[in-house]
Amino acid sequence: EAQVTQNPRYLITVTGKKLTVTCSQNMNHEYMSWYRQDPGLGLRQIYYSMNVEVTDKGDVPEGYKVSRKEKRNFPLILESPSPNQTSLYFCASSPELGANVLTFGAGSRLTVL
Amino acid sequence: SQQGEEDPQALSIQEGENATMNCSYKTSINNLQWYRQNSGRGLVHLILIRSNEREKHSGRLRVTLDTSKKSSSLLITASRAADTASYFCAPYTGGFKTIFGAGTRLFVKA
Repeated sequence: EAQVTQNPRYLITVTGKKLTVTCSQNMNHEYMSWYRQDPGLGLRQIYYSMNVEVTDKGDVPEGYKVSRKEKRNFPLILESPSPNQTSLYFCASSPELGANVLTFGAGSRLTVL
Repeated sequence: SQQGEEDPQALSIQEGENATMNCSYKTSINNLQWYRQNSGRGLVHLILIRSNEREKHSGRLRVTLDTSKKSSSLLITASRAADTASYFCAPYTGGFKTIFGAGTRLFVKA
């Protein structure tokens, strides 16, 4: 089944403890992206990647890192999480070079205490 | 990239009724897409309408696009309880960024 898989789906952690949210797609998509969703703010783009080793900042990149070493994987790294990063995170991919016709993962709910 | 703004923010209807949601945007687009999000889940792509199209159908969904008014509408006919979700429009200008608005929350009462 064609899909975007995120892990973990739920995570409670403490301030400053590094964590990684993995994202993998099995559709050979070029484009991948991370979003966070907060009540009343819609979805905000964190980082995106147009291809392997090519990444760029979205609208809210502070406090996050990403890497794209392989086409299928696009992990989101929080080096030193803070409570304001408590959010619902989504990974998405597109068969095109841009942010068009996105396939989303099921989401990762992160709580930072 | 640009953000679409959905209206109304929330909509409550009875099962069997039609639901209409609107989207406005600011600049020229390549296409406009609609997505659905069930509570706490990932967005699901519903339909794409190109800038040279005026209307498109998919099952119980009907989307219109008026580029002169920079607006689009999504009509769900004969709504069902399972249609309860948030709906987002995404105007696409060909870039690498997609900006989603706060969406329209639709509640269909059984």
